[in-house]
Amino acid sequence: DADVTQTPRNRITKTGKRIMLECSQTKGHDRMYWYRQDPGLGLRLIYYSFDVKDINKGEISDGYSVSRQAQAKFSLSLESAIPNQTALYFCATSDWFADIQYFGAGTRLSVL
Amino acid sequence: AQSVTQPDIHITVSEGASLELRCNYSYGATPYLFWYVQSPGQGLQLLLKYFSGDTLVQGIKGFEAEFKRSQSSFNLRKPSVHWSDAAEYFCAVGSNTGNQFYFGTGTSLTVIP
Repeated sequence: DADVTQTPRNRITKTGKRIMLECSQTKGHDRMYWYRQDPGLGLRLIYYSFDVKDINKGEISDGYSVSRQAQAKFSLSLESAIPNQTALYFCATSDWFADIQYFGAGTRLSVL
Repeated sequence: AQSVTQPDIHITVSEGASLELRCNYSYGATPYLFWYVQSPGQGLQLLLKYFSGDTLVQGIKGFEAEFKRSQSSFNLRKPSVHWSDAAEYFCAVGSNTGNQFYFGTGTSLTVIP
């Protein structure tokens, strides 16, 4: 089993719909991250969490929200999806902030 | 502000040829530096990292990188490329000070027979 699991792997939705992307990890790490990847832009940090009670905005948090349900679970929500949120989304974990990050396989989201 | 620049969007090399992927960073203190690889349809995997000490670091799959403070660079090298090395490569820089972590925009590597 993968250390970092993202569900779903692919999702197509319509503008205005609420979407939740889920991430779970078995690494035992306190720190978890959500990134989006767009061609030519690399990975940009959306939100990060140091523990269940500590959640922080990243570079591009507008239009997104997160929930850290447990040490092992970190969900990303799009309250009202829009087409420019079409991207590849990655969850990652690390033992401390600037340490090696372990990535899930990604969720490809298309907003029509 | 901290940033990471990968000047080459796409590189094509012949199998067996040497490879160098460039990475430049902008940061006041000594950063933590990483190279990750992303194969098609996969998440990112760490190739190597530099935190301190020897400026030439060895990674997996025969890759190495050299930290050059004077040039603010952390270039990735491999002496002989294999077809399986075709992927997207990302340089990243992080620091515990201010909790900053940034990825470069990536370099796509094509390997031709």
